[in-house]
Amino acid sequence: DAKTTQPPSMDCAEGRAANLPCNHSTISGNEYVYWYRQIHSQGPQYIIHGLKNNETNEMASLIITEDRKSSTLILPHATLRDTAVYYCIVRVYNFNKFYFGSGTKLNVKP
Amino acid sequence: EAGVAQSPRYKIIEKRQSVAFWCNPISGHATLYWYQQILGQGPKLLIQFQNNGVVDDSQLPKDRFSAERLKGVDSTLKIQPAKLEDSAVYLCASSRNTGTSGGRYQETQYFGPGTRLLVL
Repeated sequence: DAKTTQPPSMDCAEGRAANLPCNHSTISGNEYVYWYRQIHSQGPQYIIHGLKNNETNEMASLIITEDRKSSTLILPHATLRDTAVYYCIVRVYNFNKFYFGSGTKLNVKP
Repeated sequence: EAGVAQSPRYKIIEKRQSVAFWCNPISGHATLYWYQQILGQGPKLLIQFQNNGVVDDSQLPKDRFSAERLKGVDSTLKIQPAKLEDSAVYLCASSRNTGTSGGRYQETQYFGPGTRLLVL
């Protein structure tokens, strides 16, 4: 059911930018892209979402390609506490339903 | 603002026993979701409530799972009888509203810490 494709794992050095890619080539015109993360033994935590334009908040930036078929979540200065599984989700039309894939395990290393 | 509360945090039962999980959503959130997360996988939606009505329960194994949200606030998810494959984390989430027609109105889902169930 997942409508997104993400690499299973990535490494990032502490203090560097972490760029997490997501492919959503079948996204519809009115479907949003959401990003959540899940730190070990916790519930998923909302990070950011967007439709067409790039978005930025205090946690991250979201870059969506012009054709909307892929996006990148950017953590500008990764810390050890950013080690988590990151989920890219396409919100299903009309029902606020999220299909979670397997996500990307981000390992931030000192 | 208090987050989504869930209890218990951990539960160990034997197969064929019954178990119930409780969720208290964020105040004012009309929509409540129950997810099942098996180890190594992403969460899978089991059931979605809008106030006290069921919006979607297509993924709920209705022969053994049941859920209710009688007063449109708290919710209970029950498994009876439990099987080994029910071992998972059960997550509750809430949001203010579902999307309106046209999908323009997007609401973020906020998750609780989850209940970790082990069936022996």
